[in-house]
Amino acid sequence: QKEVEQNSGPLSVPEGAIASLNCTYSDRGSQSFFWYRQYSGKSPELIMFIYSNGDKEDGRFTAQLNKASQYVSLLIRDSQPSDSATYLCAVPTGGFKTIFGAGTRLFVKA
Amino acid sequence: DTGVSQDPRHKITKRGQNVTFRCDPISEHNRLYWYRQTLGQGPEFLTYFQNEAQLEKSRLLSDRFSAERPKGSFSTLEIQRTEQGDSAMYLCASSLGTDRGYTFGSGTRLTVV
Repeated sequence: QKEVEQNSGPLSVPEGAIASLNCTYSDRGSQSFFWYRQYSGKSPELIMFIYSNGDKEDGRFTAQLNKASQYVSLLIRDSQPSDSATYLCAVPTGGFKTIFGAGTRLFVKA
Repeated sequence: DTGVSQDPRHKITKRGQNVTFRCDPISEHNRLYWYRQTLGQGPEFLTYFQNEAQLEKSRLLSDRFSAERPKGSFSTLEIQRTEQGDSAMYLCASSLGTDRGYTFGSGTRLTVV
């Protein structure tokens, strides 16, 4: 059974701080990794994806991937109250489906 | 293009009734997925269509669930003889490929009473 694990949180950070969200996955053959943001009562929204080891930056977001450790993370710099949401880590399987973690709830305090 | 549309947004039904949900994907996306999400959990895969062909279906899906995508356009998900355990958010997503990520619709929230 392929798994994606996340700390459920809540992770609470003050406004302006860096929020660090972590994810581990079990399938060593996984090639691509996605982060979705989900506001309460809404559907998930794709915010980042990463394929290669190392860092990928997009605005205030940085995704980090370490395939040897089977670990992917999302950093949010200069966190804002509007970043308060659940962040889902998602890993496509070798077939057609994607496995989602249960998500980490982030709360940014103003 | 207005994104992925789902209808209805909310559905309350009595146990034992049948329900049907509709999804209209982004027109350029040939891949369509149905997921189910319960409170505190991530989306759980139900089924996948590439054009009109249903290529994968979760082993967790009972025979009460069926999905179609006639002509490779919109899709419907039907649940027969609903049970209280079917209460969840049903999410439709479309994509250009597994490695391209998903665009989700707003979801249909089903409550079985």
